[in-house]
Amino acid sequence: EVQLVQPGAEVKKPGESLKISCKGSGYNFNGHWIGWVRQMPGKGLEWMGIIYPGDSDTRYSPSFQGQVSISADKSINTAYLHWGSLKASDSGMYYCARVSGYSYGRLGGFDYWGQGTLVTVSS
Amino acid sequence: NFMLTQPHSVSESPGKTVTISCTRSSGSIASNYVQWYQQRPGSSPTTVIYEDNQRPSGVPDRFSGSIDSSSNSASLTISGLKTEDEADYYCQSYDSINRGVFGGGTKLTVL
Repeated sequence: EVQLVQPGAEVKKPGESLKISCKGSGYNFNGHWIGWVRQMPGKGLEWMGIIYPGDSDTRYSPSFQGQVSISADKSINTAYLHWGSLKASDSGMYYCARVSGYSYGRLGGFDYWGQGTLVTVSS
Repeated sequence: NFMLTQPHSVSESPGKTVTISCTRSSGSIASNYVQWYQQRPGSSPTTVIYEDNQRPSGVPDRFSGSIDSSSNSASLTISGLKTEDEADYYCQSYDSINRGVFGGGTKLTVL
């Protein structure tokens, strides 16, 4: 059974750094892109970026490029989303999700989702 | 980058059929797969349609997806509406270098 496990919540102060995790199990972690999605309170889903753990190839949405970094440690089947200096506006729910894979040369969408990590940034 | 535009909300009665549109602002809708996700309040999203028109196992055949190159749009159609279908629905696709975009989401009310 494919599972993506995330911590439930993180509380930080503005200016602090944060790295949230997403541990995959039940599938070949190295062989699937894995991505991050933000959802601000009461708002829609925002695609942040994806990483291919096999070779660490990464794609970022222009909206998030330079704001966060995405990494993966394939030795422990875990992807990460990292902020160097948090702002209050980074507060929100962050989901990790697995990309299904390629079909006829085109990338599929997210097929499995984590439960989300609620990030609260407040002084 | 391109945008995907969805209606903010739709409503329909139980047993009826509803269609949610998703229009791509630039680039061909057919150049990259379109997915549709359902999100109920307080829950993670789940996939109801992938690769334009494929249904994951467990998703009822009341859900169907299509793309229309003439209008550069994708559609999610839900027939035989049930109250349990009430949720937010999001379309999603990619640009030419596999950077993704979500539509703004559509709130479906079944009343």
